[in-house]
Amino acid sequence: AQKITQTQPGMFVQEKEAVTLDCTYDTSDQSYGLFWYKQPSSGEMIFLIYQGSYDEQNATEGRYSLNFQKARKSANLVISASQLGDSAMYFCAMRGSHTGRRALTFGSGTRLQVQP
Amino acid sequence: EAQVTQNPRYLITVTGKKLTVTCSQNMNHEYMSWYRQDPGLGLRQIYYSMNVEVTDKGDVPEGYKVSRKEKRNFPLILESPSPNQTSLYFCASSLVPLGTGLLSTDTQYFGPGTRLTVL
Repeated sequence: AQKITQTQPGMFVQEKEAVTLDCTYDTSDQSYGLFWYKQPSSGEMIFLIYQGSYDEQNATEGRYSLNFQKARKSANLVISASQLGDSAMYFCAMRGSHTGRRALTFGSGTRLQVQP
Repeated sequence: EAQVTQNPRYLITVTGKKLTVTCSQNMNHEYMSWYRQDPGLGLRQIYYSMNVEVTDKGDVPEGYKVSRKEKRNFPLILESPSPNQTSLYFCASSLVPLGTGLLSTDTQYFGPGTRLTVL
C-alpha cells in the first residue's frame, strides 16, 4: 500500500518569501513517481511538478522546486518568491510502478496563504 | 490548447434522475480516470481506462458507470444518483497508463472539475 502524509494543514508566508511544503511518502515499490498539484479556490487541479524515483537531480519548474530526499522518503515542494496568486491548496501525490489500478495516491493537502 | 474538458461544471439534480458528466481530452492520451474529492477523504479513484474499450474499477465504483468508445472521451454515468454522490468530480488523463515504466510521461492532467449536488 502507498501512503502520502502532509503534516501541515495550513501555512502562511509573506509575499516574495520562499516557503516549503512538506510531504513524506511510504511505498514498497522501487520505481515510483511523485507529483505536486495546486488547487485554487476555483477548484481545478493544476499540475506543478514531477519527480521520478530514479531521477538524480531535484526537479525544478520555474519558481517551483522539489526537494527530493529518497532515503528519508520526503518530497517537499519549495516555492520561491511567493506571490498572492500562490494562495491555494497544495497536494502531494504519488504513483507506484505496480499500482494495479493505476491511481494516484494523494495526501490530505496543505492550504497556503500568501500575505501581502 | 492541450486540455481536459468536463461538462457540466456545476449540476444540481434530484435523487434517481440519471445524469452523465462528459470528459474529453485533446492530447491523444491513452489513460483516463475519474476521481471524486470529498472533505476529509481526499481524492479517490472511481474508474479508469487504459485505452479504448478497456475500463476497470477504482476505489469507489459503486453507483457509477463509464464507457470508452473513443480515445478522447470518457463519460461518467450516474444511473440513479443519491445524495451520497454529492461531490467534486475530476476527470484526468495521461499519455500512458501509470506505472508502465515511462516515468516522465505518466503525469496526469486534470479537468476543471464538476460540482455535483444530489438533493
